[in-house]
Amino acid sequence: TAGITQAPTSQILAAGRSMTLRCTQDMRHNAMYWYRQDLGLGLRLIHYSNTAGTTGKGEVPDGYSVSRANTDDFPLTLASAVPSQTSVYFCASSDEAGHGETQYFGPGTRLLVL
Amino acid sequence: AQSVTQLGSHVSVSEGALVLLRCNYSSSVPPYLFWYVQYPNQGLQLLLKYTSAATLVKGINGFEAEFKKSETSFHLTKPSAHMSDAAEYFCAVSGRGKLIFGQGTELSVKP
Repeated sequence: TAGITQAPTSQILAAGRSMTLRCTQDMRHNAMYWYRQDLGLGLRLIHYSNTAGTTGKGEVPDGYSVSRANTDDFPLTLASAVPSQTSVYFCASSDEAGHGETQYFGPGTRLLVL
Repeated sequence: AQSVTQLGSHVSVSEGALVLLRCNYSSSVPPYLFWYVQYPNQGLQLLLKYTSAATLVKGINGFEAEFKKSETSFHLTKPSAHMSDAAEYFCAVSGRGKLIFGQGTELSVKP
């Protein structure tokens, strides 16, 4: 099974441009998440969705937006990219959003904003 | 609120030596604790998790971790390191359905 796929694998983006990072899961998981990974900071939650049609803000939501139109897809949009959004972005999913659920991660998107 | 602290951003061991990666947590509720591994240029993969069933948790690739409530610790160990264990390791605690990650520990294995 594919699990979670993310696209693109990597991207160089000019500051001020918009971009959508795509995430698709085939496990029929209810909950999905977007994290950014920065050296020395671990992974920080950007946005999450407990079920299709709902979204919520994580620890570092500013400058990002998400939508969850269906169970499988959870795109992350940068409306106007800034250099501080240079990072590695990981999408994850879990069967439910409850305490103790295992999250499964995609391979990541490496984004460089110049 | 929940938080995780990983002691040591980088650990280096010789092949065949004991691996010990330290994790301390803070939680206002009985915690669920996780260790994830990230190999170069890949996503995170679950190594093991503690869900209150047993204090000693065995995971994949010979790793295990022991939950010690009195010490608020969940250290990861492996008796004998292999070159293929070189990776970054993340400890995480579950808080209100969300994972809170530590800063990560990079493990190097010397031949």
